[in-house]
Amino acid sequence: GENVEQHPSTLSVQEGDSAVIKCTYSDSASNYFPWYKQELGKRPQLIIDIRSNVGEKKDQRIAVTLNKTAKHFSLHITETQPEDSAVYFCAENNFNKFYFGSGTKLNVKP
Amino acid sequence: GAVVSQHPSRVICKSGTSVKIECRSLDFQATTMFWYRQFPKQSLMLMATSNEGSKATYEQGVEKDKFLINHASLTLSTLTVTSAHPEDSSFYICSAPRTLNNEQFFGPGTRLTVL
Repeated sequence: GENVEQHPSTLSVQEGDSAVIKCTYSDSASNYFPWYKQELGKRPQLIIDIRSNVGEKKDQRIAVTLNKTAKHFSLHITETQPEDSAVYFCAENNFNKFYFGSGTKLNVKP
Repeated sequence: GAVVSQHPSRVICKSGTSVKIECRSLDFQATTMFWYRQFPKQSLMLMATSNEGSKATYEQGVEKDKFLINHASLTLSTLTVTSAHPEDSSFYICSAPRTLNNEQFFGPGTRLTVL
């Protein structure tokens, strides 16, 4: 969406390497930043989220960092596996509406 | 987690006809639901916010007379694509937030194909 910019649009990594996807937002009032994984033809699945009072959150191989001053947040996936291959979207919660980034197609090569 | 259903999952219709898509929250009440449209290889674009008991609010560029939204109850919102045209062919997804923590729960989506 126009409120959120996401980079890169595509990302290829070797199995076992790390992957980083970055998003920037514009509205300083935004307070909730989820990341979704979407497989072809299916609904988005929440994989991790972070709120504006926290700088970092980790869940096993997945972590999200938030820099409120710079208005950007990032998804970090370590020890990538082929099943991590999918499209990932960041989102921003703005007045209880959700605006999505443009998506990153992650390809993990075995 | 919470469950949101959508019906139908797929629909094929002729140009000029209207199609109704239902979104239901199965185990929680949702005063607000959201409707998104997703074209192939693109992101989810917010179309409108469905509000129980009041009119829907539409995002800029979305025609309210073409995409009719009715939030009939605390568990049901419907999106009607009126006078559908081939360019309306898309994946339509609804979502409902749990207001306590803002987490969104998505429906499985409806694949609309207009011939």
